[in-house]
Amino acid sequence: EIVLTQSPGTLSLSPGERATLSCRASQSVSNNYLAWYQQKPGQAPRLLISGASSRATGVPDRFSGSGSGTDFTLTIIRLEPEDFAVYYCQHYGTSPPHSFGQGTKLEIK
Amino acid sequence: EVQLVESGGGLVQPGGSLRLSCAASGFTFTTYYMSWVRQAPGKGLEWVANINQDGSEKTYVDSVKGRFTFSRDNAKNSLYLQMNSLRAEDTAVYYCTRENWSLDYWGQGALVTVSS
Repeated sequence: EIVLTQSPGTLSLSPGERATLSCRASQSVSNNYLAWYQQKPGQAPRLLISGASSRATGVPDRFSGSGSGTDFTLTIIRLEPEDFAVYYCQHYGTSPPHSFGQGTKLEIK
Repeated sequence: EVQLVESGGGLVQPGGSLRLSCAASGFTFTTYYMSWVRQAPGKGLEWVANINQDGSEKTYVDSVKGRFTFSRDNAKNSLYLQMNSLRAEDTAVYYCTRENWSLDYWGQGALVTVSS
């Protein structure tokens, strides 16, 4: 079973700044089957990135994903007020359980 | 428009049972795996189970194996999660999701509270 570890737990930044969120897997994620989700309070999660680097429909291009193997990164350039939320990574594919990382809370500084 | 609408949540005593339903619309239901994901109050996301297109293959997280049963009725575009022998630690919002490899659509969630 793959364990995903996200860092940092909380990230405090100001609007306009750049955010870099990390997701590290306990073993290699096959085919880069790694997704990122955004969750705002009281809402269901929303898919941002799949396949480690492909933006989902309607996701602004200030969001980008990168990485391979065991190390993945979600980068948000020029933070907007609506970007402050909790972000989760998840691996998927043919080897369930498709576990999530514990989340990174992006808060306004 | 893809829609996933959960129902059936509520308060149940430890050891009790509950069945969640999820009504799907706006896409060809029979071509997708589907999943349940849960979130305990104030906690992170936990993948619970998935089911293949015809319902013949199901996979569960270890903590619910033998207690939860995931099924689907393709004629009704519906999913069901039968939850038995419920424990306090099963208290969570349960989300129905569509699997397009990643989880590309989510329902609004159904709250299940296990408490005496």
